[in-house]
Amino acid sequence: EVQLVESGGNLVQPGGSLRLSCAASGFTFSSYSMSWVRQAPGKGLEWVSYISSSGSTIHYADSVKGRFTISRDKAKNSLYLQMNSLRAEDTAVYYCASGYSYIDYWGQGTLVTVSS
Amino acid sequence: DIQMTQSPSTLSASVGDRVTITCRASQTISSWLAWYQQKPGKAPKLLIYKASSLESGVPSRFSGSGSGTEFTLTISNLQPDDFATYYCQQYNSYSWTFGQGTKVEIK
Repeated sequence: EVQLVESGGNLVQPGGSLRLSCAASGFTFSSYSMSWVRQAPGKGLEWVSYISSSGSTIHYADSVKGRFTISRDKAKNSLYLQMNSLRAEDTAVYYCASGYSYIDYWGQGTLVTVSS
Repeated sequence: DIQMTQSPSTLSASVGDRVTITCRASQTISSWLAWYQQKPGKAPKLLIYKASSLESGVPSRFSGSGSGTEFTLTISNLQPDDFATYYCQQYNSYSWTFGQGTKVEIK
């Protein structure tokens, strides 16, 4: 069974940093492209970042470019999102997701709240 | 970025109804479109990919159609479990973009 389990969400002050993790199991993690997708409270879905299976191709949404960094560790079957210079508008549930194009599996999400 | 516009934003329907949700892209995306269902407090679930391909395990009452810039998701014989919010997503180019969502409510 495919499982994606996010962790690292927390309350952080504006300007602060946070690192999200996603532990993958039940599939060959190293063969799959991965993404982060977020959802602000009561709002729709917003794609944040993508990393290819090898890690050689990375994309970011304009809203996070220069502030967020996606990475992966195939030895640990894990995906990461380093978030710096956080803003109030980054407050959201962050989902770890697998898929090269459409998303076939989603984690349960981790809540990031940016507030003073 | 490619903008995705869904209509309606909210839809009231009864069990047994046939409902249709429309998604329009701001430029052509061929058939690179997916549909997801999301229930409150849960992660989205893939229903349809490549505009009309049904994901494994998804009931056949869900169907998708369209290409280019206009797409539809149809739910025939609406069931109690289908009351949820539905999102379209284009994956023609990065950045991926989602529609704003359509909430299907009980009439």
